[in-house]
Amino acid sequence: AQSVTQLGSHVSVSEGALVLLRCNYSSSVPPYLFWYVQYPNQGLQLLLKYTSAATLVKGINGFEAEFKKSETSFHLTKPSAHMSDAAEYFCAVSGNTGGFKTIFGAGTRLFVKA
Amino acid sequence: NAGVTQTPKFRILKIGQSMTLQCAQDMNHNYMYWYRQDPGMGLKLIYYSVGAGITDKGEVPNGYNVSRSTTEDFPLRLELAAPSQTSVYFCASSLRPAPGQTSRGEAFFGQGTRLTVV
Repeated sequence: AQSVTQLGSHVSVSEGALVLLRCNYSSSVPPYLFWYVQYPNQGLQLLLKYTSAATLVKGINGFEAEFKKSETSFHLTKPSAHMSDAAEYFCAVSGNTGGFKTIFGAGTRLFVKA
Repeated sequence: NAGVTQTPKFRILKIGQSMTLQCAQDMNHNYMYWYRQDPGMGLKLIYYSVGAGITDKGEVPNGYNVSRSTTEDFPLRLELAAPSQTSVYFCASSLRPAPGQTSRGEAFFGQGTRLTVV
């Protein structure tokens, strides 16, 4: 079965600092991987997705994620945090072994301090 | 392009009442999902469907029922509402990629239904 583990339910950074949100996945075959963002009282919005064309994936709002098969990781980064990045971030996996249904991690809430 | 539409946005139910949460998508997606989101618990899959007439249980199906008579609609029914069903419910849809397609079947979400059972 596929699963996703997000390390750290809360992450706090200062404005302008590096953002690093960790995600590890479990899958017996190359999965499809996604990062979603959820702003307060809203639905989830796709940030980026792993397409297997490149291991470094660029998304919206300056975020990127690197797929590392050897570490089964798909960590999300942004070089410089902005106050507007404060939100909840979800890593998700989908793929053949899961019947293509999307499984989400527990989420990481990002706080950005002025 | 409406995407995924959920109704209602908010609802308060009394214990033991029933209701149906509506979800419709206009993207011709074959996969549809219902998740519930509790604080600090992420999203838990309740039920999903891989196409009209086909549904399957997710992680937390107890107390819920679904049907999928058309590609567009995927209603979620709560029978005998309980306080434990107080949550935010999200409907989502995705397209299973055909072999050779580059699309990776990301899920598109509705805006959610905030349900309180008292």
